[in-house]
Amino acid sequence: EAQVTQNPRYLITVTGKKLTVTCSQNMNHEYMSWYRQDPGLGLRQIYYSMNVEVTDKGDVPEGYKVSRKEKRNFPLILESPSPNQTSLYFCASSLSGGDLSYEQYFGPGTRLTVT
Amino acid sequence: EDQVTQSPEALRLQEGESSSLNCSYTVSGLRGLFWYRQDPGKGPEFLFTLYSAGEEKEKERLKATLTKKESFLHITAPKPEDSATYLCAVLRGGSNYKLTFGKGTLLTVNP
Repeated sequence: EAQVTQNPRYLITVTGKKLTVTCSQNMNHEYMSWYRQDPGLGLRQIYYSMNVEVTDKGDVPEGYKVSRKEKRNFPLILESPSPNQTSLYFCASSLSGGDLSYEQYFGPGTRLTVT
Repeated sequence: EDQVTQSPEALRLQEGESSSLNCSYTVSGLRGLFWYRQDPGKGPEFLFTLYSAGEEKEKERLKATLTKKESFLHITAPKPEDSATYLCAVLRGGSNYKLTFGKGTLLTVNP
């Protein structure tokens, strides 16, 4: 089954304790991205990766890092989480490329609480 | 800066009562406009992509249309299972495949 998977699905942690949220896709997609979703603010892009060689900041990159060492994986790293990073996080992937294949497919989400 | 405004914020319909959701956008060089459906606590589910003014797409009870300034998602004879938040997003032309999302319309269909 074609899908985007995220782990963990739920995470409660404390301020300053480094954590990683994994994202994997099995659709051979070039493009991957991370979003956070907060009430009243909608979905906002954190980082994106056009392919394994190109990664760049989205709208709200502060406090996050990403790594794209292989095509299928795109982990999100919080080096020193703070309470304002409490949110619902989504990973997404897209075929992208030169033709009209820009639909992004989303993972199930990771609900993160930082106390 | 790209902007996407969805209206209304919330819409309550009776089963069978058709209506439309609006998505107004401002973007430099639209490459595509997307509609997603999101159920509570789940990831957005892709519905449609529209690329140029005048284009229409249909799927079951849903029909999406696009003009140069806005898109409509028409829901014909909705059922309770159509209840969800509907998100609109735009993709700007250029090398960055960045989606800008609206805040969504929460649709509730009562039986």
